[in-house]
Amino acid sequence: IAGITQAPTSQILAAGRRMTLRCTQDMRHNAMYWYRQDLGLGLRLIHYSNTAGTTGKGEVPDGYSVSRANTDDFPLTLASAVPSQTSVYFCASSASGRATDTQYFGPGTRLTVL
Amino acid sequence: GENVEQHPSTLSVQEGDSAVIKCTYSDSASNYFPWYKQELGKRPQLIIDIRSNVGEKKDQRIAVTLNKTAKHFSLHITETQPEDSAVYFCAPLTGGGNKLTFGTGTQLKVEL
Repeated sequence: IAGITQAPTSQILAAGRRMTLRCTQDMRHNAMYWYRQDLGLGLRLIHYSNTAGTTGKGEVPDGYSVSRANTDDFPLTLASAVPSQTSVYFCASSASGRATDTQYFGPGTRLTVL
Repeated sequence: GENVEQHPSTLSVQEGDSAVIKCTYSDSASNYFPWYKQELGKRPQLIIDIRSNVGEKKDQRIAVTLNKTAKHFSLHITETQPEDSAVYFCAPLTGGGNKLTFGTGTQLKVEL
């Protein structure tokens, strides 16, 4: 059982390019989340999905989009990357959309936008 | 957004000593208070949580205490070991009980 995986592990990207970060979980969790982690700022929620077919905006959604076509996958797309999007991105999942459920995090993707 | 603060931002203790990290929050409706641990280069992992109907919860060497009136909760680690060295995040439920808001983290270093 893999749990929750992310790809790529790291990426260097030119500003203006489009990029999709992949997240897959095999725990049949209903809820999935995308966070970014920046030094001194902790983890900030970008987008979330409480169940397949639905998505919602978090604290810092601008410049990012998500989709949830099925239970397992929750890709995060940067339509036109900017240097301020340089960060470590973590995907997470939980059994339901209740915020009191334990969130399980993926290994992260380190993204550098030049 | 909701205001969540952690103190201290860094903490250095000798092995075997106790460590306490405090988290203050502003949302009076918060009713769920977890702590996450993130080792260097690794993913965050839940280590303990508490709900607002209890004042303290313990799990071996770690404990969490809650003061809802003062709107703060604390992580207590006793008999610290080198493997406790990590960044610890509080993440109280905020925004009407909808989502977790993470604090900025406390870097704990346990020295031999």
